[in-house]
Amino acid sequence: SQTIHQWPATLVQPVGSPLSLECTVEGTSNPNLYWYRQAAGRGLQLLFYSVGIGQISSEVPQNLSASRPQDRQFILSSKKLLLSDSGFYLCAWTLSGRGNFGPGTRLTVL
Amino acid sequence: EDQVTQSPEALRLQEGESSSLNCSYTVSGLRGLFWYRQDPGKGPEFLFTLYSAGEEKEKERLKATLTKKESFLHITAPKPEDSATYLCAVPYSGGGADGLTFGKGTHLIIQP
Repeated sequence: SQTIHQWPATLVQPVGSPLSLECTVEGTSNPNLYWYRQAAGRGLQLLFYSVGIGQISSEVPQNLSASRPQDRQFILSSKKLLLSDSGFYLCAWTLSGRGNFGPGTRLTVL
Repeated sequence: EDQVTQSPEALRLQEGESSSLNCSYTVSGLRGLFWYRQDPGKGPEFLFTLYSAGEEKEKERLKATLTKKESFLHITAPKPEDSATYLCAVPYSGGGADGLTFGKGTHLIIQP
């Protein structure tokens, strides 16, 4: 069966610090991978998606970036965090359009 | 632009009190509508996929239905463990491969 991992589970970072969140998927090959953000009072917002190694598409302009160095690894990064980057970050892969989500990372920027 | 609107934002019910949650959508060519359950601090858990008007899916006390403009999640005789946020979503039409546009969710509380 397929499993998706995210770490860390929680993170508290100061404004201006860098960020690296990691997502890995097990049990499937060449998945489409996604990063979503869920901020207070807002729905899940699609940030990035990837259909293969090194292929990244951005849906929302921001100071975040994503990379896919391996088939089943997806990384979300920032060089300098903003207060507005706080939120719950979710990684997902899809099967027949259906999104399968990881456990999420709670990021608080102070 | 795809839009998904859920109502009510929050709903408090007594155990055993049945009700319905609404999800209205505006998309150009529906390619499916998804319902998820999300518990606090966790990722969304898939419940149902609906593809065409008139379709229904059931799971325990939950039944999802679909019309051309909206979907309903009916909850029958709910129990406290059904308390969660329920999200609906449609496939993204902005070119993102299988990405989803979500509503803001309905926060459901079932009181014993």
